[in-house]
Amino acid sequence: GAVVSQHPSRVICKSGTSVKIECRSLDFQATTMFWYRQFPKQSLMLMATSNEGSKATYEQGVEKDKFLINHASLTLSTLTVTSAHPEDSSFYICSARDPGGGLAYEQYFGPGTRLTVT
Amino acid sequence: TQLLEQSPQFLSIQEGENLTVYCNSSSVFSSLQWYRQEPGEGPVLLVTVVTGGEVKKLKRLTFQFGDARKDSSLHITAAQPGDTGLYLCAGAETSGSRLTFGEGTQLTVNP
Repeated sequence: GAVVSQHPSRVICKSGTSVKIECRSLDFQATTMFWYRQFPKQSLMLMATSNEGSKATYEQGVEKDKFLINHASLTLSTLTVTSAHPEDSSFYICSARDPGGGLAYEQYFGPGTRLTVT
Repeated sequence: TQLLEQSPQFLSIQEGENLTVYCNSSSVFSSLQWYRQEPGEGPVLLVTVVTGGEVKKLKRLTFQFGDARKDSSLHITAAQPGDTGLYLCAGAETSGSRLTFGEGTQLTVNP
């Protein structure tokens, strides 16, 4: 199946600094990637849809200036958490859709990034 | 906004028991997917159902899509400790659209 990777898997940063998380589709080209946030024992919350070569579409309530998304190539999307604060601590997960796959609506998820802001 | 209600939220059973997880909506979905997620990892796709009334089996797991494509169920037979995890249903309104996730079912199978 399609493989999606994320880097780093864990990151600890100080309050006020910025952190970049990478999401890569390893064996397919993804024109669309998605960024989710997940709190302990809860479901996934969609933050934004990342489209290659164009601006990301953010969900209501998600600050686009705080969560910068760049989808510069068909295999890479990045999420930068700017001026991070402790309340930004969470599990961030990306997913990608394989347009060449059998079912266009299937999303494949990365392993997630645990962000801790101290 | 489409909503998916998933139940139960928490389920703790003994090894060998059977269980069913439900996913319901008042909206129609073009497809519905079931994922399983372990702590500290991303969700792993188990199955996608696209046809009303469709039934798919994956070893001891049976997935069903309602005739009206508004609901789905996951049935596990003879649960094992290795089945422990967070089970998520997710629906797509149209092909290629974003996914709407249910709240998840945290399953614990005790040996």
